[in-house]
Order: sequence, then C-alpha cells, then structure tokens
Amino acid sequence: GQNIDQPTEMTATEGAIVQINCTYQTSGFNGLFWYQQHAGEAPTFLSYNVLDGLEEKGRFSSFLSRSKGYSYLLLKELQMKDSASYLCAVRDSNYQLIWGAGTKLIIKP
Amino acid sequence: IAGITQAPTSQILAAGRRMTLRCTQDMRHNAMYWYRQDLGLGLRLIHYSNTAGTTGKGEVPDGYSVSRANTDDFPLTLASAVPSQTSVYFCASSEADGTDTQYFGPGTRLTVL
Repeated sequence: GQNIDQPTEMTATEGAIVQINCTYQTSGFNGLFWYQQHAGEAPTFLSYNVLDGLEEKGRFSSFLSRSKGYSYLLLKELQMKDSASYLCAVRDSNYQLIWGAGTKLIIKP
Repeated sequence: IAGITQAPTSQILAAGRRMTLRCTQDMRHNAMYWYRQDLGLGLRLIHYSNTAGTTGKGEVPDGYSVSRANTDDFPLTLASAVPSQTSVYFCASSEADGTDTQYFGPGTRLTVL
C-alpha cells in the first residue's frame, strides 16, 4: 500500500527553527509537495521538490532524498502566524497526490 | 471571482437526502479535484477531472458522482447522503504546467444526521 508518515504534532518557540519530517512509500514518485493549512481554512501551497536536494524560499526550505523516501520542511525564525498544520503529499505513478495526515505545529511565545 | 469558490460554506443534511456541492474556478485550469478531509486522516481524493468532458474515480468514490460540462465548474453530488459522509470537502484545480500544483477552494463543511 501507499503510505505517507508525518509526526502528528510538534511544539516550537517563537523565533526558533523547526524541522518537520515526512517519509513516504508510494507506487512511483513524481514530486513531493508541502502545504500549509490554518485551522478551518484551505491548504495553501508552500513548496515542490522533484529532484534531490534543498529548495529554499524565504523562511521556509524543503529537502528531498528520493533514495531514502524522505523529505523535511524547515521553518526558520518562527512567527506566531506559523501555527498551522503542515501537509506532505507525494505524486505517485498515476499522477495522483497521496497525502499525509499532517503535522500540527504549535508555536509558543 | 478570484481563484476557486465553493458553495455552500456549510450544510446540515438529513440522511437520505440528495445534495450537490458546487465548485467554480476562474483560472482556466484544465484539471479539477474533489477531496474529503477527516480528522486524523490525510486528504482523500473522491473524483477528479483532467479536462472538461472527462472524469475519473479517486480513492473513495462510492456514494458520490461528478460532472464536468465546462472548464470552470465541477459539482459533486451525494445521491443519498449517509452519516459517514460527514466531512469537510475541498475542491481543487491545477494547470498542466509541469508541477501541476493544486490550488484549493475554501471548503464545504457537511454534516449528515
């Protein structure tokens, strides 16, 4: 079966750095996405990785290792508004997105 | 309209009733999707459409139907609602531009009693 694993919940301090991990086992791989979802709102696109390595976009970076079936999302200089769920999704061989259950990130002052 | 709109925002429905959730996008995206999101689970694909006039089944299609008469609209119909269809429903669209990033509507919160 296909599986995306992420921690259920993480807590971090305002101004700090946090790394959210995602491991996947899917039938094929055609890219990995990270989305942010605030409570009661729609998911919004953060990043896309299809090749190994680090993609940096402002305070957010995303890393991919296809050989290890592993990705992480790195958030720097955390702000209170970063409190949200972070969803990892992998596009499989059928070009469908397989979604993880999401990681709820709690930011404390 | 900017992006994707969904209607209604929320709905309480008696079991056995028929319900259509509406989704409209103004980005001229070819592909559209319907997901449901339940607590503790990832988004699950119900149906999708790669282009106007075509539809396909996702991971959890039973009890749902869709149509794609034109590029902009992608309604989801529950023919006879059951309590297990209580969920938040998201419509999304994407353009075939390589990344095929999906953009989501605001969602419909549906409760079936």
